[in-house]
Order: sequence, then structure tokens, then C-alpha cells
Amino acid sequence: GNSVTQMEGPVTLSEEAFLTINCTYTATGYPSLFWYVQYPGEGLQLLLKATKADDKGSNKGFEATYRKETTSFHLEKGSVQVSDSAVYFCALSVGSGAGSYQLTFGKGTKLSVIP
Amino acid sequence: NAGVTQTPKFRVLKTGQSMTLLCAQDMNHEYMYWYRQDPGMGLRLIHYSVGEGTTAKGEVPDGYNVSRLKKQNFLLGLESAAPSQTSVYFCASRLGTASNQPQHFGDGTRLSIL
Repeated sequence: GNSVTQMEGPVTLSEEAFLTINCTYTATGYPSLFWYVQYPGEGLQLLLKATKADDKGSNKGFEATYRKETTSFHLEKGSVQVSDSAVYFCALSVGSGAGSYQLTFGKGTKLSVIP
Repeated sequence: NAGVTQTPKFRVLKTGQSMTLLCAQDMNHEYMYWYRQDPGMGLRLIHYSVGEGTTAKGEVPDGYNVSRLKKQNFLLGLESAAPSQTSVYFCASRLGTASNQPQHFGDGTRLSIL
């Protein structure tokens, strides 16, 4: 079956530090990959996505590259801000077969950025 | 530009009471989902729907029922609430099953069962 594994948190960083949140996946076929962000008290929002190998998704200073050879989609940001404090979810989608109706989510990684 | 709207945002129930959570989307999406989110458990899929008049069980369906009488609405019912159903409930919708289609989420309903 399809699965997503994220690094366990919580992750605590100082403002302006470099961020990496690891995400690896197992999937049948060629999935699309997503990062979602959940700010306190809110729902999940799509942060970025990549739909094929070597694609780079980017948004709000965050980037992630679809690495087929390592089945990974790590989230990075060069300089985090306090406002980036949130829970980040990695997810995948397959276009056909078992599980194609929904996205498969990782368990989430909580990021806290301190001034 | 409402997207996915959940009603109510907060609710406190007593054990044994019933209630219905409403999800409405204005994006003409075919697929709709109900999740629950508990500390340390991530998102767990309760039920989903692939079109008007259809529903299917997800990972944790026991104690819940759903209905999709109109394409834009997806209702989640608790017939006899239990403390174990205290959680944050999220509704999501999706245009179709093309793999590049993301899910769009509402802001959640925070439900406490006493």
C-alpha cells in the first residue's frame, strides 16, 4: 500500500535558522507529492506540490524536490520566521488503483520557531 | 471565495446525545472527505464520498454515519456520542482523482463529549 513517513517532531529552531523536514514515501506507480501546513486553530492549507520526478515545488520561501531515486520529498526553508510555527504534513496521491480516491498523509511535524 | 465551510466551529455534547456536522463546498468538487485529528495520531479518514448519493467507509468509520444528498454538502452524524469521539473534525474536498489534484480543507469543528 501507499505510505508516507515524516521525521518526528517537535522541531524547535531559532529565527533565521535553516529548516529541513524529511519525508519519504512508498507508493505504487508515480505519485504526486504535496506539503500542507496547519497553523494553530486552522485547517490544512496546501503549501506546495510536485507532480513528477525532479520537479521542485516552491511557495513562501519553502521548497521541496521530488526525488524518485530516493523516494523523498524533503521540505526546506533557508531562513525561518516565528510566523512559520505550525504543523507540516507531507502527502501523496496516486492517480489509479487502490487508494486513488484520497491522499495519503504523514503524521505531521510540529515546528516551533523562537525569536 | 468560501471554499470549504464547516458548521459549527465548536460544540460540547453530553454522552449519548446526537448531532450532525455540516460541510459545504462551493468549488463543484466531486469528492468529499471527513477526517478526525487527535494529538499524536495525525489525520484519520472516517468516511468519504466520490459523488452525490455515494459514500464509503474510511479508516475509522465506527460510530459515525454520513450522507451526500447534494453534491455541495457532506454531512457527518454521531448517533450516540461517546467521550472517545472528542476530537477535531475536518472536512475536505477534491476536484477529481487525477493525482495532481490536492484536497482542500475546512477550518475544522472542535467537538467535546462530556
